[in-house]
Order: sequence, then C-alpha cells, then structure tokens
Amino acid sequence: NAGVTQTPKFQVLKTGQSMTLQCAQDMNHNSMYWYRQDPGMGLRLIYYSASEGTTDKGEVPNGYNVSRLNKREFSLRLESAAPSQTSVYFCASSDRRGGIGEQYFGPGTRLTVT
Amino acid sequence: ILNVEQSPQSLHVQEGDSTNFTCSFPSSNFYALHWYRWETAKSPEALFVMTLNGDEKKKGRISATLNTKEGYSYLYIKGSQPEDSATYLCAFSAGNMLTFGGGTRLMVKP
Repeated sequence: NAGVTQTPKFQVLKTGQSMTLQCAQDMNHNSMYWYRQDPGMGLRLIYYSASEGTTDKGEVPNGYNVSRLNKREFSLRLESAAPSQTSVYFCASSDRRGGIGEQYFGPGTRLTVT
Repeated sequence: ILNVEQSPQSLHVQEGDSTNFTCSFPSSNFYALHWYRWETAKSPEALFVMTLNGDEKKKGRISATLNTKEGYSYLYIKGSQPEDSATYLCAFSAGNMLTFGGGTRLMVKP
C-alpha cells in the first residue's frame, strides 16, 4: 500500500496563476483533509471531506477550492495564487469520522508563489 | 477558532533524560485528543488517539495521559534517545475537524 500520495512535491507559481494539488489514498478511508503548514503556525485545516460527496470549510479556506472526486481522491485548487499561499500543503486521510480516527499524512507539497 | 496550546515550544535534553510536554485544550465539546510525532523532512505520524477522561496510552518509552474535565494532556518520554528528536504535536477534536497546537520541538543530545 502506498498510503497517502501527493503530487507535485514542489511547485513554483507566479502571482495570479492557478494550479491543482492532487491527493490520493489507497486505504479505503472515508475522511480526507487538506492542511497548510507555515513556520510558527503549526498545521491549519483548509478544507475537509468527511465522506465521499461532501466537503466542508476548515479554519483557513479563503482562496482555495476542493473536489472530492471519488473515495480515493481529494484535490485542492488555487484559482489565483497569492504570495500569502506560499506554504507546505499536507493531505491526510482517516478511516473514522468525528475526528476520532488517527490521521495518515501524505509527504507534502512545497508551494512557492512569487 | 479553538485554542490548543502546547508547552514548552522547544526542549533540549541529554540522552537518557526523561521528559514531558503539556497540551491544553478547551474542556467543552470534547471528542478526541491526538498526539503526533513529526520528524524533520517527514510527515506527521500518529502516536495516540484518546477519547475518554482518564485515558492513559503507552507505546514503548512514550506514554500519554488525558484529563478532559480540566482540558489538558501530558506526553511523557522515558529515557530519551537521539532518535526521539522530533516535533510533537497535539490536536483537539470537537467534531469532524482537528485543531492542532503549535508543537513542542524536542532535541536529544547524545
């Protein structure tokens, strides 16, 4: 099992460009999450999907959109990138809802917006 | 926005020392409290998920306790080793989301 995979690993964008970060899990988990990690800020939740077909905003959703394509895949889209979105992005999945199941994290995507 | 605080922010210990960290979280609407270990250049990995007041969990030399009534959890490492060097994160759940604390960075000197 690959666990949680993310693509790309690194990306540099110019202000105003758009891109989609891809995440997939092969553990048959129901819940998936997108976090960003900034120095001194810890992990902050952007969006989550408690189950296939549902998505909800997290703590810092502005400037992002998500799609739960199927049970395996959960993508994060930046429509018009801004320097404030420079961060490391982690995708995670869990087999239980309600924040009770441990979360399994992908390797991260390091995004720089110039 | 829920307030989850961890202390200390960083800690330097000698190999063989025992140490502990604190996670403070809201005492209402409690679902679960998670602990994760995050090594540099890797992804966070779950250590424990605790759901009941008074829970105690143990994995090797690492253990954790939970007090939901007063809103705190302790993580203990007995006989620290250099390979224990990492950032330790706690996360609080009041529903479908986790709110993470800022982490405690542990450095163990040989």
